[in-house]
Amino acid sequence: QSVLTQPPSVSAAPGQKVTISCSGSSSNIGNNYVSWYQQLPGTAPKLLIYDNNKRPSGIPDRFSGSKSGTSATLGITGLQTGDEADYYCGTWDSSLSAEVVFGGGTKLTVL
Amino acid sequence: QVQLVESGGGLVKPGGSLRLSCAASGFTFSDYYMSWIRQAPGKGLEWVSYISSSGSTIYYADSVKGRFTISRDNAKNSLYLQMNSLRAEDTAVYYCARDRLLAAAGTFDYWGQGTLVTVSS
Repeated sequence: QSVLTQPPSVSAAPGQKVTISCSGSSSNIGNNYVSWYQQLPGTAPKLLIYDNNKRPSGIPDRFSGSKSGTSATLGITGLQTGDEADYYCGTWDSSLSAEVVFGGGTKLTVL
Repeated sequence: QVQLVESGGGLVKPGGSLRLSCAASGFTFSDYYMSWIRQAPGKGLEWVSYISSSGSTIYYADSVKGRFTISRDNAKNSLYLQMNSLRAEDTAVYYCARDRLLAAAGTFDYWGQGTLVTVSS
């Protein structure tokens, strides 16, 4: 059971928009920055969003992030078949022992 | 360009040991915090351990505390993970990852390709 909760799957048609939620608590999302990662099949994860809503260079502005309270959201607009991947949120958890926590991942299907 | 290349994975019996290595290039390795993150087959990401740039600060996930040891050799631009008392549930692809900031930001901007560790009799 992951500390951060994500929907197992989402789907949308090419060109459409999709959002992926990530729910946590005050010890993690509520008081720390959230990152998002994309993992294409058979590859290592890739940083998509950091500090809740910032994009590394090279990441298109179709990808966006936001945070409110103890939840965060990844948005993807203008969906492409190449966006089919698993998406993970991650952050620090400053409860009993400091650790990095991830969501269970969300499989995006572009229909 | 930044490159992280893991090695050392393989098949090991329960209770056995394995040492993973991660060779870094394309950046000043000694400036960055580094982590090991694993992914069991068909499962999500699980953070394993963090080490500061100098090696003086280390964090472990509860699931590996007391069994795994992270270390680094800045002269060799290398990160290591010594894994002892291995269990079936340690079976995973192990990734080496660089923290984005010169601190433990919990954000990983570069990842290696991973090395598979299989614990089975």
